[in-house]
Amino acid sequence: ETVMTQSPGTLSVSPGERATLSCRASQSVGTSLAWYQQKPGQAPRLLMYDASTRATGIPARFSGSGSGTEFTLTISSLQPEDFALYYCQQYYNWPSGPFGGGTKVEIK
Amino acid sequence: EVQLVESGGGLVQPGGSLRLSCAASGFTFSSYSMNWVRQAPGKGLEWVSHIGGSGGTRYNTDSVKGRFTVSRDNAKNSLYLQMNSLGAEDTAVYYCARSTSPLYYTYMDVWGKGTTVTVSS
Repeated sequence: ETVMTQSPGTLSVSPGERATLSCRASQSVGTSLAWYQQKPGQAPRLLMYDASTRATGIPARFSGSGSGTEFTLTISSLQPEDFALYYCQQYYNWPSGPFGGGTKVEIK
Repeated sequence: EVQLVESGGGLVQPGGSLRLSCAASGFTFSSYSMNWVRQAPGKGLEWVSHIGGSGGTRYNTDSVKGRFTVSRDNAKNSLYLQMNSLGAEDTAVYYCARSTSPLYYTYMDVWGKGTTVTVSS
């Protein structure tokens, strides 16, 4: 099974600052990597797929990069609505397609 | 509007059974494979089951194999999860989510709001 590890567990950032979230796979997943945002009491929302393609309606301040085993989600200038949990998910080595453990982005 | 609406959650005793449903609308249901994803209280997301668009392929995560069965009725635009031999570790919000391929497990672009399953005596 491919294990997905996200870091840091919690990221404290001030509004307007840049946030960089990491996701590491235990084996190569190519670019078959998605990012999701989840706010309290809500379902996850797709942000990014194929490592670097923004989903419909996602603002340009969100960007994704990486391939193989190392991936990054960057939020260029944090807005109040961006404080949330973020999960990565690989879909290369399936049928098991685990999610990472998540990174909480909180207000500093 | 593309929409997924889960139902069927509730309180069940350990060892009991429950059947979750997910009603799809706004898209051609049979053209997409579907998933169940769960989230235990205060925990992260866990993929549970995947089923192909025709229902011909099904996969479960190891922890539910032999206990959970995913199925679909394309005529009714509905996805199901039959859960048997439930334990406390199955307590979670269960989401249905759409994959973007009719066959393969991919990223999930549409999610329901979830239904809560609580296993407790």
